[in-house]
Amino acid sequence: QQQVKQSPQSLIVQKGGISIINCAYENTAFDYFPWYQQFPGKGPALLIAIRPDVSEKKEGRFTISFNKSAKQFSLHIMDSQPGDSATYFCAASISNYQLIWGAGTKLIIKP
Amino acid sequence: DTEVTQTPKHLVMGMTNKKSLKCEQHMGHRAMYWYKQKAKKPPELMFVYSYEKLSINESVPSRFSPECPNSSLLNLHLHALQPEDSALYLCASSLGGFTNTGELFFGEGSRLTVL
Repeated sequence: QQQVKQSPQSLIVQKGGISIINCAYENTAFDYFPWYQQFPGKGPALLIAIRPDVSEKKEGRFTISFNKSAKQFSLHIMDSQPGDSATYFCAASISNYQLIWGAGTKLIIKP
Repeated sequence: DTEVTQTPKHLVMGMTNKKSLKCEQHMGHRAMYWYKQKAKKPPELMFVYSYEKLSINESVPSRFSPECPNSSLLNLHLHALQPEDSALYLCASSLGGFTNTGELFFGEGSRLTVL
């Protein structure tokens, strides 16, 4: 029940395309759903986050879609750029120390 | 200043050595964390300090010893490590206490190799 399942494990998208990464969870007590972006040799950095009282949040080219009834949320990257190539982790939490991470998606944007 | 600074960036040590990893933040954050990250895996929580007190220890072996000298500094003392302890060690901080939700600010990590 504490798992967050993330897919796909890896993703290759052409420059300008839409990248979509999906996550699913079981624990309905989760109240915070962040996405972290990690470049090689760097620590993760918060990209965008959502709470379950909204169905969508957009920040620039990045959008989280949240489906509370299906217990799923996804990250959409519009107009994907080579600089977006990184590993993306979804997560879910009740508190900061109970942050449950997805397995990660390695995204490659081809020029 | 929105940075979490970790030193050293790289560390190679033998199994009998004693070394320390250091982490510093000047954002006034009240919770600080140590994570361990293996290649192609998500970070794994090791320790949490909240208001300078050790609040969470995720059953980490005693060869890892955390220390929080003050609200801005976090150390991880390493002794008698094993080769399987080789990993990227990440420090993070958050504005609120560890029981809140909110952004975790991560450092760039210390890449540890145990020979």
